[in-house]
Amino acid sequence: GAGVSQTPSNKVTEKGKYVELRCDPISGHTALYWYRQSLGQGPEFLIYFQGTGAADDSGLPNDRFFAVRPEGSVSTLKIQRTERGDSAVYLCASSLDLNSPLHFGNGTRLTVT
Amino acid sequence: AQRVTQPEKLLSVFKGAPVELKCNYSYSGSPELFWYVQYSRQRLQLLLRHISRESIKGFTADLNKGETSFHLKKPFAQEEDSAMYYCALSGSGGSQGNLIFGKGTKLSVKP
Repeated sequence: GAGVSQTPSNKVTEKGKYVELRCDPISGHTALYWYRQSLGQGPEFLIYFQGTGAADDSGLPNDRFFAVRPEGSVSTLKIQRTERGDSAVYLCASSLDLNSPLHFGNGTRLTVT
Repeated sequence: AQRVTQPEKLLSVFKGAPVELKCNYSYSGSPELFWYVQYSRQRLQLLLRHISRESIKGFTADLNKGETSFHLKKPFAQEEDSAMYYCALSGSGGSQGNLIFGKGTKLSVKP
């Protein structure tokens, strides 16, 4: 079946602009995760959802970052007033439940100029 | 502080040679450890987790709480093992909700 889908695959934006990154999880997966990966680093946790609610958002770096999952399926990561330091690959993953393996998407490469 | 350390950025071996990718962790409780792998032009995927105690693609990893290590080993490396390997830690009682990843080790297996 289809895996985790992330759109767009690439996003270039100017400093100060607002961006939205979308994640379509595997159908039936209740848990959804967002990670950020900077060059030369491992993935860094941002937030995860169990159903519609954010179970842990402790990894969001500041209040410019926000994520929603209104119907318990698709999720959107929103970044306001983007900064050059936000440039990274944003990874989404989903899992059947919190104890099942994570299935990652291909990521969205965000470049802030 | 919770931390995962992978001391080698790059590990290069010849086909058929043994390989060991090192992972050390810092965690005060009882962690769960994972190895994730990313092959060229593919997505990041789970390779193995310590509670499963299984061998995947010939790889094994043993949790050593005394040395706080979870090294990944394979007795005879194959060219198709070339990939980026990430060690990860979960302190959430087995839940994978918040994984802490190391910086990764790039394994290159030469013919």
